[in-house]
Amino acid sequence: DVKVTQSSRYLVKRTGEKVFLECVQDMDHENMFWYRQDPGLGLRLIYFSYDVKMKEKGDIPEGYSVSREKKERFSLILESASTNQTSMYLCASSLVGVLNTEAFFGQGTRLTVV
Amino acid sequence: GENVEQHPSTLSVQEGDSAVIKCTYSDSASNYFPWYKQELGKRPQLIIDIRSNVGEKKDQRIAVTLNKTAKHFSLHITETQPEDSAVYFCAASGARGGSYIPTFGRGTSLIVHP
Repeated sequence: DVKVTQSSRYLVKRTGEKVFLECVQDMDHENMFWYRQDPGLGLRLIYFSYDVKMKEKGDIPEGYSVSREKKERFSLILESASTNQTSMYLCASSLVGVLNTEAFFGQGTRLTVV
Repeated sequence: GENVEQHPSTLSVQEGDSAVIKCTYSDSASNYFPWYKQELGKRPQLIIDIRSNVGEKKDQRIAVTLNKTAKHFSLHITETQPEDSAVYFCAASGARGGSYIPTFGRGTSLIVHP
């Protein structure tokens, strides 16, 4: 059973703080993703990584960075948190292969920036 | 990049009715089309998927159809039940960067009234 685990379920941070969101998966998946979920906007891709130390910008990377030092761990970093980054953040992972495969999601981190 | 449009944003049906959710995509190279269900407060989970070499797939009360020429695909739920109430996301997955990445629609909130 695939497990994708996010380090926090709820976070409250102050404007200007540096924020780290951590995600760990235990199924040796190559792909890892960070999505942001807002009502009416669906799941928007922030960054993804298909290998250790590899990262690619998604559709809304501004204000975010990522780190993938180990295959199982993918971190999202908010360099200087702002109130418009208040949102639900979802991590996901999937296999890389000739055939696309499903993405497995973490439970989400609801971040509030005050 | 890929763009996925999903309609309707909200769908309200009576128990026992059918529900249909429609999605269109823009990138003809996309080859994998998963559907995810997200219950309130939970993570999105795959309920059915279809690959570009298949026109239709069924799993009990749910079915998905794909029209590659028109670049649209649909989710059909028959004999809806209250436990089908959730947000449903379609996705189109194609090559991006060094891997295959899903792009999601904005979601459909399905409400099944007992």
